[in-house]
Amino acid sequence: QKEVEQNSGPLSVPEGAIASLNCTYSDRGSQSFFWYRQYSGKSPELIMSIYSNGDKEDGRFTAQLNKASQYVSLLIRDSQPSDSATYLCAVNRNFGNEKLTFGTGTRLTIIP
Amino acid sequence: EAQVTQNPRYLITVTGKKLTVTCSQNMNHEYMSWYRQDPGLGLRQIYYSMNVEVTDKGDVPEGYKVSRKEKRNFPLILESPSPNQTSLYFCASKRGSTDTQYFGPGTRLTVL
Repeated sequence: QKEVEQNSGPLSVPEGAIASLNCTYSDRGSQSFFWYRQYSGKSPELIMSIYSNGDKEDGRFTAQLNKASQYVSLLIRDSQPSDSATYLCAVNRNFGNEKLTFGTGTRLTIIP
Repeated sequence: EAQVTQNPRYLITVTGKKLTVTCSQNMNHEYMSWYRQDPGLGLRQIYYSMNVEVTDKGDVPEGYKVSRKEKRNFPLILESPSPNQTSLYFCASKRGSTDTQYFGPGTRLTVL
């Protein structure tokens, strides 16, 4: 079992709809969770970080964390063509060290 | 401009010829990391550093060395490169453990 798993996609969503991206992780003791966006040929950039159970909202983005079920998700409301990118889920297993494990990413395409 | 820079951006070399990829940040960040990105395997952490002279292994450290003699620089050294180290390499930095991690532009390395 991979430590961090994501559906590779591609995931196609109509413009204006909600895009839902999911990530599961295997280490129950994981503490910190991140979503990065990577445009083709570019570097990853951080969109959201979440550390406690529940929802965290930032503009059109909402991260959801459920530690009991070991999943973290990212919702993108009112999807725009500019949201078309690969989304990477990353998990830090322990506070106090900086080991970060990434999933392989989900490619999202927003259809105008 | 606040940034993480990497040099070279592109490198083609031959097996066994030692090389160094430099990474520098001008944001006075404590934390720095090196990653490699490969199709189907995603982004994997090679080494990280939490401060000057403090480095630790990520998930794929074999075949790589790093040093952190000064805060702004974190070079990645391949003492004897092999073809399986052909990859896209990213350096990243952040101020503190829970702060945003910023990625450099990437170095595409080909080992023949």
